[in-house]
Amino acid sequence: GAVVSQHPSWVICKSGTSVKIECRSLDFQATTMFWYRQFPKQSLMLMATSNEGSKATYEQGVEKDKFLINHASLTLSTLTVTSAHPEDSSFYICSVVTSWHEQFFGPGTRLTVL
Amino acid sequence: AQTVTQSQPEMSVQEAETVTLSCTYDTSESDYYLFWYKQPPSRQMILVIRQEAYKQQNATENRFSVNFQKAAKSFSLKISDSQLGDAAMYFCAYRNTGNQFYFGTGTSLTVIP
Repeated sequence: GAVVSQHPSWVICKSGTSVKIECRSLDFQATTMFWYRQFPKQSLMLMATSNEGSKATYEQGVEKDKFLINHASLTLSTLTVTSAHPEDSSFYICSVVTSWHEQFFGPGTRLTVL
Repeated sequence: AQTVTQSQPEMSVQEAETVTLSCTYDTSESDYYLFWYKQPPSRQMILVIRQEAYKQQNATENRFSVNFQKAAKSFSLKISDSQLGDAAMYFCAYRNTGNQFYFGTGTSLTVIP
């Protein structure tokens, strides 16, 4: 199956700063990647669909200016949390869906905003 | 967005026994996929089993099987011969034709030795 990595695995930042999270598909060219957010002891919430070479599609209620997504190549999508605040602290997970319709998740990034 | 409901926030099972986790979903689509994922403390999501909606036969993967009732929009997971390593959060998920996944709220499974 596809291998998906995320970097960093854990980041702590000060309120007001921006944080970039990378999602890489290591052995599969992904035209589409997905970004999820998971609060403690809660489910994964789909934030946006990242499309290679075009703008991301955001779910209702997700601020596109807050969560900037760039899918510059077939193996890399980035999520930038701009002007982060403590309420943005969460676990962010990306995923890749392969041509055989199977989804593979990255290991996640824990963001803590002080 | 489609709605996926897991009505059991917590479940427990004796080791070697069988447990069933419930899931219902709401959709107007006819073509979709359903999944069960396991999330251990490491938080890495692991695929347990998948079901194509157009298939009437219930999916089975070793000790894991599903009871798919399309008309009732129900998709339960049965774990047989439960093992200690099965303890985790289990999420039911719906995938639409756009490959977008929507997850239930999860069921925390405890396996009692």
